[in-house]
Amino acid sequence: EVQILETGGGLVKPGGSLRLSCATSGFNFNDYFMNWVRQAPGKGLEWVAQIRNKNYNYATYYAESLEGRVTISRDDSKSSVYLQVSSLRAEDTAIYYCTRWPLFGGDYFDYWGQGVMVTVSS
Amino acid sequence: QITLTQQAESLWISPGERVSITCRASQSLLYTDGKHYLSWYQQRPGQTTKALIYHASVRTDGVPTRFIGSGSGTEFTLSIEHVQPEDFAIYYCLQTLKSPLTFGSGTKLEIK
Repeated sequence: EVQILETGGGLVKPGGSLRLSCATSGFNFNDYFMNWVRQAPGKGLEWVAQIRNKNYNYATYYAESLEGRVTISRDDSKSSVYLQVSSLRAEDTAIYYCTRWPLFGGDYFDYWGQGVMVTVSS
Repeated sequence: QITLTQQAESLWISPGERVSITCRASQSLLYTDGKHYLSWYQQRPGQTTKALIYHASVRTDGVPTRFIGSGSGTEFTLSIEHVQPEDFAIYYCLQTLKSPLTFGSGTKLEIK
């Protein structure tokens, strides 16, 4: 069974940094691209970042609105993906979801985690 | 970037009815492989977000046949036939043709 669990959220002061973790199990993590998607309270979904697998040289892609402040990374030995967010602003307050990109059969997010809440406030 | 427009913020329907949710893209989502890079997702409170449709019309594993994706080019529709109580949720479209990936603003299905 595919499992995705995000951790590392919480209350952070404006200007601060945060590292979110996403631990996975139930599939061969090394093969998959992984993404982060976020959702501000009462708002819609916003894609944040993608990291590809070793075959694609771990290429990374970012939403323009966040580029320069976020870094996505992965540790295949731990089946985990991470999101480092710096210079946090109130508008970064959101639930952050970790999602999987299927290996074959289509470019979409086939599995999502429950999400982790990040609140940016003084 | 590609903008996806879901005109209807909310749709009110009764269980058992048929409903269509539309998603319009600012440019064609057709790739050279002949596939459209448009997918649909369902969000229900307390549940993980669920992928329903990819490539505009392909249902993901386990999705009931009452969910039907259609459309081409820039106009796409998610139809739900004989809406069930568990279908009252928020639905989003997503384009994965070009980075940055972008979502529609969402359509909430509400009980009339």
